[in-house]
Amino acid sequence: DSGVTQTPKHLITATGQRVTLRCSPRSGDLSVYWYQQSLDQGLQFLIHYYNGEERAKGNILERFSAQQFPDLHSELNLSSLELGDSALYFCASSVAGGATSTDTQYFGPGTRLTVL
Amino acid sequence: GESVGLHLPTLSVQEGDNSIINCAYSNSASDYFIWYKQESGKGPQFIIDIRSNMDKRQGQRVTVLLNKTVKHLSLQIAATQPGDSAVYFCAESISGNQFYFGTGTSLTVIP
Repeated sequence: DSGVTQTPKHLITATGQRVTLRCSPRSGDLSVYWYQQSLDQGLQFLIHYYNGEERAKGNILERFSAQQFPDLHSELNLSSLELGDSALYFCASSVAGGATSTDTQYFGPGTRLTVL
Repeated sequence: GESVGLHLPTLSVQEGDNSIINCAYSNSASDYFIWYKQESGKGPQFIIDIRSNMDKRQGQRVTVLLNKTVKHLSLQIAATQPGDSAVYFCAESISGNQFYFGTGTSLTVIP
């Protein structure tokens, strides 16, 4: 158990819908990262938040958005869902947000999204 | 349409042998590299990391080697055990803000 929690574990929805995925980082971690893992594209970095502020964006679609709240939990919002959005969505947390020896990322168990 | 999955490189080793997993990274500006292990149905798990000012780092049974000249990273696992069977990913980062993962290598340990 990494200490990172994600809800829900599974989500099945239809095309065109909107969903929200939730992540609670490990106690004391200030950074949250979101990743998408699909069969055809592997693990893709989406976005990084540090202490409530967006720090970096990766391959995140405009239909997707995220935020980190004052209590440091984060939500990933996916809208106008398409079949190709079906994937595992992971969040990870780390103590800080830079490349120091303490910045190990701890991954949550993931949310499996299925778009029908 | 038909779903096409990634074709993961595979490595099979005998229990007790050493394993070497290789990774080529793409960005010469990357300064931080990490190896992760992902077991079926679980999230990636940190194994070891290395910064670009080093060329070798050792952990418990694992060693990471970094060759910046050819942008190559390797993970060596000593005395491989059945519990090491998993998919291994390397990741590169610039200053720990964005992370880019390789496609992964599937390691199977034969008892």
